[in-house]
Amino acid sequence: ETGVTQTPRHLVMGMTNKKSLKCEQHLGHNAMYWYKQSAKKPLELMFVYSLEERVENNSVPSRFSPECPNSSHLFLHLHTLQPEDSALYLCASSLHGGDAEAFFGQGTRLTVV
Amino acid sequence: GENVEQHPSTLSVQEGDSAVIKCTYSDSASNYFPWYKQELGKRPQLIIDIRSNVGEKKDQRIAVTLNKTAKHFSLHITETQPEDSAVYFCAASIYGGSQGNLIFGKGTKLSVKP
Repeated sequence: ETGVTQTPRHLVMGMTNKKSLKCEQHLGHNAMYWYKQSAKKPLELMFVYSLEERVENNSVPSRFSPECPNSSHLFLHLHTLQPEDSALYLCASSLHGGDAEAFFGQGTRLTVV
Repeated sequence: GENVEQHPSTLSVQEGDSAVIKCTYSDSASNYFPWYKQELGKRPQLIIDIRSNVGEKKDQRIAVTLNKTAKHFSLHITETQPEDSAVYFCAASIYGGSQGNLIFGKGTKLSVKP
């Protein structure tokens, strides 16, 4: 275990549903990330939060909405997704943004039907 | 923004041979270069990293080299073993301040045949 926990592990949702992915770390890290992993783009950075402020969003569609209420928790709110959004969503955290080892969670396998 | 290219996408070697994976990056301000290994069905995990003030770093059978002028860095695995089979990702980032843009290459699937 790396100390980064993601829930749920698997999620199937319809295109009209709203769901949220949760990530939690108690490593004392102050940077957290969302990555999308698919066959086309194996580790695609979506969002970065450093000291609870969003510093990067890489032009992600607005149907993905991140939330970082504190340095230990990160959410990814999902609504009106498309089938091509089906992928493994990985959360990671590091001691500070950019120059420290990133610890990954197990990921949430999302299927949009 | 930063762009990281990684080659080859797949690599097959015989057990005991060496494996080399190469990456190039575009942002000359990048100064932190980690390598991650992802085994099938598992999360990526850091295996080695290098910072721009160092040209080479070694840890047992794994070594990483960095050429800042050419903006490329490489992972070298010697005496490969079947348990080295995995997908390897290189990444580049800028350290210092509040920047947190760890950008990954597309990965190299390494297969080590016994």
